[in-house]
Amino acid sequence: KAGVTQTPRYLIKTRGQQVTLSCSPISGHRSVSWYQQTPGQGLQFLFEYFSETQRNKGNFPGRFSGRQFSNSRSEMNVSTLELGDSALYLCASSLGQGRDTGELFFGEGSRLTVL
Amino acid sequence: AQSVTQLGSHVSVSEGALVLLRCNYSSSVPPYLFWYVQYPNQGLQLLLKYTSAATLVKGINGFEAEFKKSETSFHLTKPSAHMSDAAEYFCAVSGGGADGLTFGKGTHLIIQP
Repeated sequence: KAGVTQTPRYLIKTRGQQVTLSCSPISGHRSVSWYQQTPGQGLQFLFEYFSETQRNKGNFPGRFSGRQFSNSRSEMNVSTLELGDSALYLCASSLGQGRDTGELFFGEGSRLTVL
Repeated sequence: AQSVTQLGSHVSVSEGALVLLRCNYSSSVPPYLFWYVQYPNQGLQLLLKYTSAATLVKGINGFEAEFKKSETSFHLTKPSAHMSDAAEYFCAVSGGGADGLTFGKGTHLIIQP
């Protein structure tokens, strides 16, 4: 079956703009998590959605937001972009939520460059 | 709170040699532990996971890891390295709660021919 699909794969924005990233989970998976990966900070948890509700949230400012739709697809939005937001944003899906997620299946990521 | 420390940002081994990637964790509750691998320009793939069953966990591609509670460690090993093992490896811990998975900084594995 198809894996986790993230779009767009690459994008360039300028400071102050906003961006929306999309994630389509594996069919049947109801949990979607988002992570930010940077060379300096590594992989950091952004948030997790399950059945259209945000279940967990990492330590990121309110400029980072997300949502999940009834078909489990998820989007994340970053407003008022800063240079430090340049990163690879990874989406992961799983059958369950939280600690009992079991295996996370990751997409290939959306690489955001902020100029 | 939970945290992961991976010792060595880069590890270099010869093809055919033992691979040992070190991971130590901290968790206020019995942890779930994971090893993921990331190839260039790709997402992460699960190698293996520990969820309080057998302490020696076998994963894909010949990798295994042993959970040692007394040492708070979950080191990853493979008896014989292959060139295709060259990648970034991440150890992760889930202590429950609202923190999701906490990842280590990663170890870049280099395989020398």
